[in-house]
Amino acid sequence: SAVISQKPSRDICQRGTSLTIQCQVDSQVTMMFWYRQQPGQSLTLIATANQGSEATYESGFVIDKFPISRPNLTFSTLTVSNMSPEDSSIYLCSVGGLSSYNEQFFGPGTRLTVL
Amino acid sequence: AQKVTQAQTEISVVEKEDVTLDCVYETRDTTYYLFWYKQPPSGELVFLIRRNSFDEQNEISGRYSWNFQKSTSSFNFTITASQVVDSAVYFCALSVIFSGGYNKLIFGAGTRLAVHP
Repeated sequence: SAVISQKPSRDICQRGTSLTIQCQVDSQVTMMFWYRQQPGQSLTLIATANQGSEATYESGFVIDKFPISRPNLTFSTLTVSNMSPEDSSIYLCSVGGLSSYNEQFFGPGTRLTVL
Repeated sequence: AQKVTQAQTEISVVEKEDVTLDCVYETRDTTYYLFWYKQPPSGELVFLIRRNSFDEQNEISGRYSWNFQKSTSSFNFTITASQVVDSAVYFCALSVIFSGGYNKLIFGAGTRLAVHP
């Protein structure tokens, strides 16, 4: 399994600002995924990030609000832009491999609170 | 439609009790995978098991066991002799192939398990 780290682990931000979350993996992976978990809720996929191409966003999520970078096979960032209190969530990155149906391993998450 | 239902929102048990967490899924795919993840209070998601649609053998790992029944589209998870450390939210997930050949996970709503001493 891959070892995944995220920065920051938590943050408290003001409305209208932006926060960039970093996800670092200890090995090269093809696919990286970003999920949001709102308080008391399940996980919802935001987007899939493949190195060297544009991220693919799920319905209800747009690039202007959640821009993603994937500069290499071990790193990705998710930015939460123009934040509002509704963006308060845990944001998790996960990685999957080349094989179909691979289990995804998750980072520790970033707990974001927007005031 | 692809969907995972965990009807039990919260379960509370006393230590050493056995507890079963239910998971029912919907998919039109003939090949799929099912997963269970554990999310302790720290928030990290811990992978527990993966099961493919062609393998209906039950699996046991220590105090954990899983019962996969295709006929009822269920993938239930039993913890035997529960312990306080088992307190967490447990998610069942269905793996769906999307274009490009890679999977993405559809999660159930989760079941919060509280084990009391």
